[in-house]
Amino acid sequence: DVKVTQSSRYLVKRTGEKVFLECVQDMDHENMFWYRQDPGLGLRLIYFSYDVKMKEKGDIPEGYSVSREKKERFSLILESASTNQTSMYLCASSLLAATGGVTEAFFGQGTRLTVV
Amino acid sequence: AQSVAQPEDQVNVAEGNPLTVKCTYSVSGNPYLFWYVQYPNRGLQFLLKYITGDNLVKGSYGFEAEFNKSQTSFHLKKPSALVSDSALYFCAVRDTLPLSGGYQKVTFGIGTKLQVIP
Repeated sequence: DVKVTQSSRYLVKRTGEKVFLECVQDMDHENMFWYRQDPGLGLRLIYFSYDVKMKEKGDIPEGYSVSREKKERFSLILESASTNQTSMYLCASSLLAATGGVTEAFFGQGTRLTVV
Repeated sequence: AQSVAQPEDQVNVAEGNPLTVKCTYSVSGNPYLFWYVQYPNRGLQFLLKYITGDNLVKGSYGFEAEFNKSQTSFHLKKPSALVSDSALYFCAVRDTLPLSGGYQKVTFGIGTKLQVIP
């Protein structure tokens, strides 16, 4: 079974802190993603990566950065945490689809971040 | 631009009754469609997907979904609901235009809470 593991289930941080959310997958997937989930807004893509050291902005990248130094690990960084970044953060991975191929995503269990 | 709509915030159904969770979509080309389920305090789990072919797609845990191109819908169904099916369900659509590096962006709906009443 594919496993996507997020380093923390719950985090409480103070405004202005630098926050690191870590994600590791064990199935050699090329694609990795960070989403945030908020009630009434569904899942919104923050950043994704399709290869080591490669990254692309999603729909809501402001206030976030990412790092992918190894294929299995994708980190989300909140440079200076703010209260409006309180949310559930979900990491996911998927295979790189061949031409015409479609692959589903595998999600981690989520990190509920509270910024106070 | 692509979009997906889940018109119902919550669906209530009695245990043993059939259930339907609705989803409609909008894409410029052919749609690729997904359903995911999220149990409380957990990540999303893949249920099923439609790529092409048979309009009725079967997935995990006895769920199926019916693709209807003329109505641009992809409703999730199950013949007999279980209390353990109570969860949050997300429909998602994939753009036919590649964004970068072969990855094609997926847009998720806002989710429908399914409550199965014993």
